[in-house]
Amino acid sequence: DQQVKQNSPSLSVQEGRISILNCDYTNSMFDYFLWYKKYPAEGPTFLISISSIKDKNEDGRFTVFLNKSAKHLSLHIVPSQPGDSAVYFCAASAETSGSRLTFGEGTQLTVNP
Amino acid sequence: EADIYQTPRYLVIGTGKKITLECSQTMGHDKMYWYQQDPGMELHLIHYSYGVNSTEKGDLSSESTVSRIRTEHFPLTLESARPSHTSQYLCASSGGIGNRGTEAFFGQGTRLTVV
Repeated sequence: DQQVKQNSPSLSVQEGRISILNCDYTNSMFDYFLWYKKYPAEGPTFLISISSIKDKNEDGRFTVFLNKSAKHLSLHIVPSQPGDSAVYFCAASAETSGSRLTFGEGTQLTVNP
Repeated sequence: EADIYQTPRYLVIGTGKKITLECSQTMGHDKMYWYQQDPGMELHLIHYSYGVNSTEKGDLSSESTVSRIRTEHFPLTLESARPSHTSQYLCASSGGIGNRGTEAFFGQGTRLTVV
């Protein structure tokens, strides 16, 4: 039973436009959500996070939105740059499970020059 | 800047061999994790540790074993490698003060191929 799902395996956008990556979850105990970026043959790098007490968190070009009622979060990247091309993983944790992370399948983002 | 290191980066080994994947972190984190990831798939937690002499199985069953004798070191061992163990193995640690220390920092991974 997959508790974190990223339904789009890939996304292609033009440089300078907005990239929107989506993530859905089923476990209502999740109270902390994170986005990671991964290049081939590298480990994931933490990007941005959001607590369930908030609905938005912004860091430079990256903004994460959380809709708790829909159990949905999204990552917005604007403007997108070719260097943003990577696999993006959504992850969630619950304090009741010792803050272990549960990951989605990832979305391959390609930003075309 | 995360300081967590995995060796080797790449390993090709024959069936039946015993292997140990090394993972070390210099951040003093209490929590350490091993994830397994296949291309296009999610990261699956196979082992975790919340401190010295503490190890637990993760969500995905694995034939590997781990040990945590020192805070900074969390090696993973496969007693007898099989082709089904071919995968990328990612080590991570967490334990910062902010955000209940949830952000995990990952090593660069070990790409294991068993032939």
